[in-house]
Amino acid sequence: DTEVTQTPKHLVMGMTNKKSLKCEQHMGHRAMYWYKQKAKKPPELMFVYSYEKLSINESVPSRFSPECPNSSLLNLHLHALQPEDSALYLCASSRRGGPWDTQYFGPGTRLTVL
Amino acid sequence: GQQLNQSPQSMFIQEGEDVSMNCTSSSIFNTWLWYKQEPGEGPVLLIALYKAGELTSNGRLTAQFGITRKDSFLNISASIPSDVGIYFCAGLVTGTASKLTFGTGTRLQVTL
Repeated sequence: DTEVTQTPKHLVMGMTNKKSLKCEQHMGHRAMYWYKQKAKKPPELMFVYSYEKLSINESVPSRFSPECPNSSLLNLHLHALQPEDSALYLCASSRRGGPWDTQYFGPGTRLTVL
Repeated sequence: GQQLNQSPQSMFIQEGEDVSMNCTSSSIFNTWLWYKQEPGEGPVLLIALYKAGELTSNGRLTAQFGITRKDSFLNISASIPSDVGIYFCAGLVTGTASKLTFGTGTRLQVTL
């Protein structure tokens, strides 16, 4: 089973709202990722967690706050977003995060910021 | 940062035709991955390549890891309507172990 699940599937929020995106995997993977994808563009890396510790932050604005409560779960907390943050947010996981690791993606959360 | 040049950008083909697309880079990669993405969904892994020269098949799909480690190719034989989507190549490099570099994508349309 190579399944990564994400909830919700769709999210609409105002600029003053606080919301969270959730990601889960049960493959025993120890590296988890958040990506942002705009229409007709490839995914862009936002954060990497390795063994539940944040290892990469690609200079993402602080209105995006990641959290890894345990090895199976990854959250992305959203606060005071801008309309330009509307995008498909993808979660991925891989075995250890090494240079020969295959990353498996979830179906994504389509976020619209009004 | 590193970039992957993926071509062609888009393809319009008839059902039953074969398809070829490729990715090239100025940098060496340790791993090449090919993904397919349909509208509103996440990328789905098609093929993973780990060694220079490796040729791997997955049904009608065949991908190769270039000998120079700077390129990769994906072929789809006898295309069918459900092959429609965007195909992305992606690579991993030693030293930036967790950071996938994506190609710009090839949009495939299949007509009956």
